[in-house]
Amino acid sequence: KNEVEQSPQNLTAQEGEFITINCSYSVGISALHWLQQHPGGGIVSLFMLSSGKKKHGRLIATINIQEKHSSLHITASHPRDSAVYICAVRPSGYALNFGKGTSLLVTP
Amino acid sequence: NAGVTQTPKFRILKIGQSMTLQCTQDMNHNYMYWYRQDPGMGLKLIYYSVGAGITDKGEVPNGYNVSRSTTEDFPLRLELAAPSQTSVYFCASLPEYTYNEQFFGPGTRLTVL
Repeated sequence: KNEVEQSPQNLTAQEGEFITINCSYSVGISALHWLQQHPGGGIVSLFMLSSGKKKHGRLIATINIQEKHSSLHITASHPRDSAVYICAVRPSGYALNFGKGTSLLVTP
Repeated sequence: NAGVTQTPKFRILKIGQSMTLQCTQDMNHNYMYWYRQDPGMGLKLIYYSVGAGITDKGEVPNGYNVSRSTTEDFPLRLELAAPSQTSVYFCASLPEYTYNEQFFGPGTRLTVL
């Protein structure tokens, strides 16, 4: 089974700060996903990566396949970014293995 | 499109009762999944389906059953509910398993007392 480790578990930042959340996994994968879970519980997909880097607005996701590591960056953080960010990996097959999530609180 | 819908949103069961969690998607997706999320833990796969009539077990299938008679619907059945099944349950779908985005339902919060 592919173990997915996220760090930090909890993160508090001031509005405007640059934020980095890390994800490491143990075996080869075909893709890595970053998800966002809002305080109300809903889950939305942010990125799917198989190599390199993707950017969407203030969010940037990178992956290093050789090092089995991915990072999610948030630039110019805002209180509305407060959420749980979840890393999930897809080994071969149909399902995802999920990390436990990083709880982010951005204060004004 | 409504996307992925789940009912009910909340439910309290007594030990030994049974219930069905409903999941419906209107995007004509082939792949559907049931996950459970326990506090402080990552989502765990209960069952999945790659198309109507085809289902398979995930990581934590014990105590649950599923069926997939249509592309749209993927109900999860709990028989003889136990306190260990207290969790938040998410249904998800995607058209192809290499597709970018997995679409999640809003979740069902289940408490077994």
